[in-house]
Amino acid sequence: DGGITQSPKYLFRKEGQNVTLSCEQNLNHDAMYWYRQDPGQGLRLIYYSQIVNDFQKGDIAEGYSVSREKKESFPLTVTSAQKNPTAFYLCASSIGGQATYEQYFGPGTRLTVT
Amino acid sequence: GESVGLHLPTLSVQEGDNSIINCAYSNSASDYFIWYKQESGKGPQFIIDIRSNMDKRQGQRVTVLLNKTVKHLSLQIAATQPGDSAVYFCASNRDDKIIFGKGTRLHILP
Repeated sequence: DGGITQSPKYLFRKEGQNVTLSCEQNLNHDAMYWYRQDPGQGLRLIYYSQIVNDFQKGDIAEGYSVSREKKESFPLTVTSAQKNPTAFYLCASSIGGQATYEQYFGPGTRLTVT
Repeated sequence: GESVGLHLPTLSVQEGDNSIINCAYSNSASDYFIWYKQESGKGPQFIIDIRSNMDKRQGQRVTVLLNKTVKHLSLQIAATQPGDSAVYFCASNRDDKIIFGKGTRLHILP
C-alpha cells in the first residue's frame, strides 16, 4: 500500500528532552511537510522540503529541526527550546513543491510533554 | 496580514440535506485552492481542489465554487450522510506554501 506513515501515534516526553518524530512516504513524492495542529485550530507549517538535502523554515520553525537525507524520509526533532511542544503533529507529502499539488497526510503523532 | 478563514466554526445539518461550508481568503495571488476533511484523531483527507482558471468543479457528491472577485470559495456536500461528520478545512497557496484555515466542524443531525 502506498502512503505516508508516522510513528509513533502517541508519544510522551518529559520537559527538557528532545524527541524525534518519524515520517516515511513510499509515494515517490519530492516534497514533504511538517505541520502542527493545536485543539480547534488549523494547521501551521513548521518546515518543508522540496527536494532531498534541502529544506526551508515554515511559519513556526523555532524550537524544531529537520533533515532530508533520503527522499522517502523527513524526520522532525522537537527540541527542548520549543516552549509549548504538546500538540498533534502531521506530516504530508506532494508530487511537487510549488504548492499547486494536493498534499497527502499521514495519520499524525500526538506528542505530550509534561 | 494574510489569512485563510472560515465563516462559521460549527455547522449543523439534517441528514439528507445539502451542506454548504464557506471560506474566505485574503491573498489575491493565490491560484490553487483545496478542501480537506479531517476526522477526529486522524490526518486530513483530500476532498477536492480547484485552480483559479475555473469557478466550479464537481466531484462525487461534492462541488467547490470559487469567486475570485470577492475571494471566496465554498464546499457543497449533497445529501449529507453521518459519515460526513468531520472538520472541514479550506486551504490556498501562498508562494510555495499551502495556508490552512481554522476549520468548520460539520454536525449531522439525525
